[in-house]
Amino acid sequence: DTAVSQTPKYLVTQMGNDKSIKCEQNLGHDTMYWYKQDSKKFLKIMFSYNNKELIINETVPNRFSPKSPDKAHLNLHINSLELGDSAVYFCASSQDEGSGANVLTFGAGSRLTVL
Amino acid sequence: AQRVTQPEKLLSVFKGAPVELKCNYSYSGSPELFWYVQYSRQRLQLLLRHISRESIKGFTADLNKGETSFHLKKPFAQEEDSAMYYCALWNSGGYQKVTFGTGTKLQVIP
Repeated sequence: DTAVSQTPKYLVTQMGNDKSIKCEQNLGHDTMYWYKQDSKKFLKIMFSYNNKELIINETVPNRFSPKSPDKAHLNLHINSLELGDSAVYFCASSQDEGSGANVLTFGAGSRLTVL
Repeated sequence: AQRVTQPEKLLSVFKGAPVELKCNYSYSGSPELFWYVQYSRQRLQLLLRHISRESIKGFTADLNKGETSFHLKKPFAQEEDSAMYYCALWNSGGYQKVTFGTGTKLQVIP
């Protein structure tokens, strides 16, 4: 049973298109995140949701819109894709309390290529 | 603002040699620090955290508040240690946020 699963794993699309990446966690964690890993392997937080509520919204173009229908899901929708959006997008989750608190569990990543 | 610095983009060592991956941080509160590892074509995963004070896969890291450092060390590198290593800092002061360093690629030469 995969703890944090993302779909799709690979996404190749044309500039200007709209696409979504889905993330689900079955760990019962309270907080979920989206991170972007660029070609230089830098990891940058984009969004964070705690119990379906947006708590972190870093400087990200408003073409990126996260949606959390429930605390086990956090989806990322991207409008009008640009070449610079090409990256690996990682979903992660963490629990708020307990011995495992503050430890991120990551999904396998979704590699987005914009042509 | 919190910041995590990993000065080396690439560190190459021979198998059996000691390894030290550097990490420095700046944070006004009490830091909680982690090392995450990403093996080739695998997801990022926790390697160790400073509050656990344990050794994982032979790696240790000691928090030095005076030097604001959290260097990752291993006495004898193995080929399977080749990976991307990220130092990370948890923001405990208000909202959940993890800031990652820029990562160091460790290459262990056979």
